[in-house]
Amino acid sequence: ETGVTQTPRHLVMGMTNKKSLKCEQHLGHNAMYWYKQSAKKPLELMFVYSLEERVENNSVPSRFSPECPNSSHLFLHLHTLQPEDSALYLCASSQRAGGTSTDTQYFGPGTRLTVL
Amino acid sequence: AQKVTQAQTEISVVEKEDVTLDCVYETRDTTYYLFWYKQPPSGELVFLIRRNSFDEQNEISGRYSWNFQKSTSSFNFTITASQVVDSAVYFCALSEWMVSGRETSGSRLTFGEGTQLTVNP
Repeated sequence: ETGVTQTPRHLVMGMTNKKSLKCEQHLGHNAMYWYKQSAKKPLELMFVYSLEERVENNSVPSRFSPECPNSSHLFLHLHTLQPEDSALYLCASSQRAGGTSTDTQYFGPGTRLTVL
Repeated sequence: AQKVTQAQTEISVVEKEDVTLDCVYETRDTTYYLFWYKQPPSGELVFLIRRNSFDEQNEISGRYSWNFQKSTSSFNFTITASQVVDSAVYFCALSEWMVSGRETSGSRLTFGEGTQLTVNP
């Protein structure tokens, strides 16, 4: 596979369930990101990992727990979610280039999550 | 704080019309990058273009063209001879570097709210 892949593409869960979203990038990048896209809202950055180290946690509730075991994989563990957490969750990766080079983020197709 | 404004929430055109999507941004950084992404109904954000703040040359790629004007903090996107397949939500984004210690650890993108473009046959 190429690019950034995400599984599952669709997920329905109850508020007491525990589930995980998976993201895998095949681009040789060093940084990975989780975004939340709710209806009628701009994309919100949730977490950033650089070389498997979390460098940003954008005031995300603890019911969302990220994990980055290596530079190619990123997980988002979900537990005791609320209906307002229903959204499209997008994963992205970038090269983590520095200096004057660009750092373009490439996105996966997203997981559409519905919390009942 | 950085901010990106896409004032047009929805645009509807007929196939073969030209259409321009507006993007205005705010930043205090002297070096920054601007992006356009396309989000078709499938959900994936597709990268279209990036522009360095030092490069104000307009760019054309097939039916797509971009007009970057630093003086007005705008980065507008024009689709010429629109097609039904152009129907999507288009996002403008502004990036800033994230620095951890002495190293750059990635980029933080600030997105506009998006413009839903519908091209009717």
